[in-house]
Amino acid sequence: KNEVEQSPQNLTAQEGEFITINCSYSVGISALHWLQQHPGGGIVSLFMLSSGKKKHGRLIATINIQEKHSSLHITASHPRDSAVYICADTHSGGSNYKLTFGKGTLLTVNP
Amino acid sequence: GAVVSQHPSRVICKSGTSVKIECRSLDFQATTMFWYRQFPKQSLMLMATSNEGSKATYEQGVEKDKFLINHASLTLSTLTVTSAHPEDSSFYICSARSVSGQGTDTQYFGPGTRLTVL
Repeated sequence: KNEVEQSPQNLTAQEGEFITINCSYSVGISALHWLQQHPGGGIVSLFMLSSGKKKHGRLIATINIQEKHSSLHITASHPRDSAVYICADTHSGGSNYKLTFGKGTLLTVNP
Repeated sequence: GAVVSQHPSRVICKSGTSVKIECRSLDFQATTMFWYRQFPKQSLMLMATSNEGSKATYEQGVEKDKFLINHASLTLSTLTVTSAHPEDSSFYICSARSVSGQGTDTQYFGPGTRLTVL
C-alpha cells in the first residue's frame, strides 16, 4: 500500500525565513504534486515533478527518486504564504491517474 | 493556467434532502474528473473517479447510491448527495485531469464546496 508522509505537521516561521517541507513516499511513482490549500479551502497546484527540481518565484520543489523523497522550499517567506501544503503522488498504472495525499503541513508565517 | 470551477461554493440543507454539486473545466476538456471529500483537519480522500460517458468508479466504502456522479460532457461532472445526513457535512472538492498536446498529464482542482447538513 502506498503511503505519503509529510513533515513537519505544523511549522511556524518568522517573515523572511527559509522554509522546508518534506515528503516521503513508499512506492515508486510517476509524478509528485505539491499543492497549497488556503484557509477557505481552495486548492492550488504548485508543482508537478517526476525528477530534478522546479522553481516558481520564491518556491522551489525538488525530488529524489532513488530515496523516494521530495522537498518544498520557500525562500523569503511572507505571511501570505501561510497555508496548508500538501504533497501527493500518482501512479499512472491504468488510465485513472489517482492521487495519494499526505496529511499536509500547516505553515504559519508571522510578520 | 487551466481553471476548474465548482458550484455552489457553500450549501446548507436540511437532513433528508438532496444536494447537487457541479464541477466544470472552463478552458479544457476533461475526460476524467475526480471527486474528493475532506473532513476537518484531515487529508483529501478520493471518493470516486468520473469518466465522461461511462459509469463512475467508486472507492471502497463510498456508497454509489448515495453519492450519484454524472459526467455527461467533457467539461461537466456533477455529484449529488442524496438523502443527506449531518455526517455528510464536509468539504467536497473536484479535480479535472488535463493531458496537453505535449503529453503533460496533470490535475487542476476546483475551489471546493462546503456542505453543511442540519
